[in-house]
Amino acid sequence: GEDVEQSLFLSVREGDSSVINCTYTDSSSTYLYWYKQEPGAGLQLLTYIFSNMDMKQDQRLTVLLNKKDKHLSLRIADTQTGDSAIYFCASENQGGKLIFGQGTELSVKP
Amino acid sequence: GAVVSQHPSWVICKSGTSVKIECRSLDFQATTMFWYRQFPKQSLMLMATSNEGSKATYEQGVEKDKFLINHASLTLSTLTVTSAHPEDSSFYICSARHRTRRVDQPQHFGDGTRLSIL
Repeated sequence: GEDVEQSLFLSVREGDSSVINCTYTDSSSTYLYWYKQEPGAGLQLLTYIFSNMDMKQDQRLTVLLNKKDKHLSLRIADTQTGDSAIYFCASENQGGKLIFGQGTELSVKP
Repeated sequence: GAVVSQHPSWVICKSGTSVKIECRSLDFQATTMFWYRQFPKQSLMLMATSNEGSKATYEQGVEKDKFLINHASLTLSTLTVTSAHPEDSSFYICSARHRTRRVDQPQHFGDGTRLSIL
């Protein structure tokens, strides 16, 4: 079946860039999403990209999509301690269902 | 922008109680809403797809008699956890898809409902 994979942990120093990677299997994915979840909280939509795009930039966030390799990445520039959270990658299929990755726990050290 | 409201945000109740969770699209119509569940320190898993005016479609392993879904209008879907037990304690979250989808309209999630069964 459809699957989304992410690395589980990433640790960076404050001020550095963070890059979180994700791979997915569904070649007919329409949208790909990045969500942020802080402890005890719901999902916060960070950004998304439509499948016919290669890149999307939104302030400190840059999303790169390699559709051929089914690889998605999220780059956070100038990472701050407030960026510490779990980041979920998700792919949406034609029917609208989202398949989520396991989440990457980002730890930002001062 | 589009907003999805979920209510209640937190429920604590005794084993055997039935709990209803509401998911509303506030400024758009959604023919399809989705219900997800997240256990502690795990990812989100789709439970069911809620279709306005028709029966919900459940994912494999999800008991339809246990998790009743009603989507009676274009802006409201409800999930009822019947006779809840401690193993049903989880974070339940809904999402909604625009009735008429454009490229710049991603899915929107509610804030989730944390259900704790004692």
